[in-house]
Amino acid sequence: DIQMTQSPSFLSATVGDRVTINCKASQNINKYLNWYQQKLGEAPKRLIYNTNSLQTGIPSRFSGSGSGTDYTLTISSLQPEDVATYFCLQHNSGPYTFGAGTKLELK
Amino acid sequence: EVQLQESGPGLVKPSQSLSLTCSVTGYSITSNYWGWIRKFPGNKMEWMGYISYSGSTSYNPSLKSRISITRDTSKNQFFLQLNSVTTEDTATYYCARRVHPDYWGQGVMVTVSS
Repeated sequence: DIQMTQSPSFLSATVGDRVTINCKASQNINKYLNWYQQKLGEAPKRLIYNTNSLQTGIPSRFSGSGSGTDYTLTISSLQPEDVATYFCLQHNSGPYTFGAGTKLELK
Repeated sequence: EVQLQESGPGLVKPSQSLSLTCSVTGYSITSNYWGWIRKFPGNKMEWMGYISYSGSTSYNPSLKSRISITRDTSKNQFFLQLNSVTTEDTATYYCARRVHPDYWGQGVMVTVSS
């Protein structure tokens, strides 16, 4: 199975900050990487698919980048409503595997 | 809008079977792929398997001997059965559309305990 190492596990930031979250795959996943946001008590929401495609309806402050084994989710200007847990999913090869998640809080 | 809702017992005894239903509205399950994912205490997530628009299935090899995903197209529902559960199957179970999901249900917490 492909292992996904997500960092950091926890992140505290201020409104307006630029925030980055990383996922590193144990092998090349050919940009088949999605990012999700999950708020407490809610269903996960897809933010980014295939590394850098923004899901319809998601604010443009969210963006994704990467290639090979290294991928990044960036929030360009953190907003209060972005408090959530974020996780990545590789869908290059089965079984598809997830990052361990990053809990983002406001400082 | 596509909506998914999981339902099923919140408590299952060890060695028994866990059975969950995913009810889908706003989209036919005879299109696309429909899967199950679980999130363990401590937040590790596991992709369990899916059923396709044609009824074919694919499972995580770690579960292959215990898992079955089926469907009822007349009710627009699909189902998860996990046999011979242990306390390690305690998790929140999610159903979702697509093998790399775009829409998810809210999840149902299942505890395996005697």
